[in-house]
Amino acid sequence: GQQLNQSPQSMFIQEGEDVSMNCTSSSIFNTWLWYKQDPGEGPVLLIALYKAGELTSNGRLTAQFGITRKDSFLNISASIPSDVGIYFCAGHSGGSNYKLTFGKGTLLTVNP
Amino acid sequence: ETGVTQSPTHLIKTRGQQVTLRCSSQSGHNTVSWYQQALGQGPQFIFQYYREEENGRGNFPPRFSGLQFPNYSSELNVNALELDDSALYLCASSLEQGRGGYGYTFGSGTRLTVV
Repeated sequence: GQQLNQSPQSMFIQEGEDVSMNCTSSSIFNTWLWYKQDPGEGPVLLIALYKAGELTSNGRLTAQFGITRKDSFLNISASIPSDVGIYFCAGHSGGSNYKLTFGKGTLLTVNP
Repeated sequence: ETGVTQSPTHLIKTRGQQVTLRCSSQSGHNTVSWYQQALGQGPQFIFQYYREEENGRGNFPPRFSGLQFPNYSSELNVNALELDDSALYLCASSLEQGRGGYGYTFGSGTRLTVV
């Protein structure tokens, strides 16, 4: 099945550093979503974006919906150890079945 | 309010067997979607159930089937299990088909291992 192109695959950073990850698609989406998944858990929604060009923040997290509607990025500022996990982007195109199309994920490791 | 509950959390099946996974949706949600997450991959959409009917299906064969009950809970059934069916199966509930994509709440998943 289709998966979005998410990069980087993994990141190893020091506590306090900023992080940036992005996601691209060959298809247009009406909504972009960013999730975090901890081991043994399901994805938890971090940020939802609904309009091209939209920039939205949630605490130390900032995400943007690309102008072309085919890409999005997520920034995490001043990382802390609890930011460790897998981050997924997901696109939602609307239509009749409302499925989410996910990226392969970015594994973030934060060294204290 | 209660979240999405999935059972069992883990199970091991033999190739060729059949399996049923269960999901109780979050209180107030009437739509359930199922996703398959292979190791190291993002979740892949299997299908969605709304008003007890299948409402959209991903690229999965007919041996993947489901049900939704009047209380909005759901089952995922997989027949003739194959080794590649080994994965984490996630259930996501939402209200009114999850319009806009933001209204999905995921359960913790069922880890299925086929040997």
